[in-house]
Amino acid sequence: EAGVAQSPRYKIIEKRQSVAFWCNPISGHATLYWYQQILGQGPKLLIQFQNNGVVDDSQLPKDRFSAERLKGVDSTLKIQPAKLEDSAVYLCASSQGDQPQHFGDGTRLSIL
Amino acid sequence: SQQGEEDPQALSIQEGENATMNCSYKTSINNLQWYRQNSGRGLVHLILIRSNEREKHSGRLRVTLDTSKKSSSLLITASRAADTASYFCATDLNDYKLSFGAGTTVTVRA
Repeated sequence: EAGVAQSPRYKIIEKRQSVAFWCNPISGHATLYWYQQILGQGPKLLIQFQNNGVVDDSQLPKDRFSAERLKGVDSTLKIQPAKLEDSAVYLCASSQGDQPQHFGDGTRLSIL
Repeated sequence: SQQGEEDPQALSIQEGENATMNCSYKTSINNLQWYRQNSGRGLVHLILIRSNEREKHSGRLRVTLDTSKKSSSLLITASRAADTASYFCATDLNDYKLSFGAGTTVTVRA
């Protein structure tokens, strides 16, 4: 079974620029999650999708972050404009039903 | 805010020794999960224990759950160099959303 795919693996941008991350979940997984993991901390949930609908985006900074999951498969997370405090690893995870979440290796974002 | 808190923050042991880390949480849960994260990689699910369970085993892993104390522990027996990683507990409040602690960094010395 192929795992959760994320790209790019690394991204360096200047503050106020925009950036986008892509995630391809495990085939058949209806639920998709985006997490932000700041260095030295555990992952923090940003948004949860069920198929192509948003279940929870209460912790997504909506003034600068947006996410979509067209056709209920791939998903993109965008930051515009980026701030220095957005430097983190952005992890995507997927799951099916009450099964454990499977994580991708993340995108490491550095803001200069 | 993060629901779980792991203790200790860091742990260094000799290969072959056991490693124990603890997790405390604040509110009632549906289940508690432990994940491992190797440097530069994503999280890997290790074990899930439901709120009506007290102990669970998987290979060299043993997890306990005490809902009266809102705490859990993860024991890794006969540690190996490959066990060097960060370990996170995560609580599920019955909606498939996980709240992670800050993790315990385990270093196994050869």
